[in-house]
Amino acid sequence: ETGVTQTPRHLVMGMTNKKSLKCEQHLGHNAMYWYKQSAKKPLELMFVYNFKEQTENNSVPSRFSPECPNSSHLFLHLHTLQPEDSALYLCASSQETGIGNSPLHFGNGTRLTVT
Amino acid sequence: KNQVEQSPQSLIILEGKNCTLQCNYTVSPFSNLRWYKQDTGRGPVSLTIMTFSENTKSNGRYTATLDADTKQSSLHITASQLSDSASYICVVRNNNAGNMLTFGGGTRLMVKP
Repeated sequence: ETGVTQTPRHLVMGMTNKKSLKCEQHLGHNAMYWYKQSAKKPLELMFVYNFKEQTENNSVPSRFSPECPNSSHLFLHLHTLQPEDSALYLCASSQETGIGNSPLHFGNGTRLTVT
Repeated sequence: KNQVEQSPQSLIILEGKNCTLQCNYTVSPFSNLRWYKQDTGRGPVSLTIMTFSENTKSNGRYTATLDADTKQSSLHITASQLSDSASYICVVRNNNAGNMLTFGGGTRLMVKP
């Protein structure tokens, strides 16, 4: 079983709803990430947190709002989404040492459908 | 522009057969290249990492190769099993201050009995 847990596994929301995705890692890693995976497209990096500090925001629309209260938990708050935001949202963690050889450990994702 | 191109996009083979997946990249400066396997409904899982000095590396029935001169990598699967059905994603890390990752679009492999 993966050391990165994401909830919920599936989410259907209307464009006016507000919801949150949750990610928890049990690996003691110091970095956490949100990725978006759309059909037939490469994974897109959304946000990076290193030691709880956001180090990257990849030009993501403000309707996506990340939160990292501690090094083990990561949230993605969603509001007024668009149908094109429907995708698989993957959380990942890694132990960053500055060398760059650490693999990403992914959760199983939240399948989001915006109606 | 950093890019990672994978081929083929999809592949169907019979159980027990071998196959080779390709990954071409333009990422520079190069740090390492990693292959991930993503089963349906799951997150990607790392199979192997290749650094600049490595030409080949095996992980069970999976063998990855790297040619840093031509900027090409391959993933060879031997004696395929039904459980090999998955998407295989090539990811290249650059060697600058950002250590940025560039993802390929993946190859979707289906192994049929």
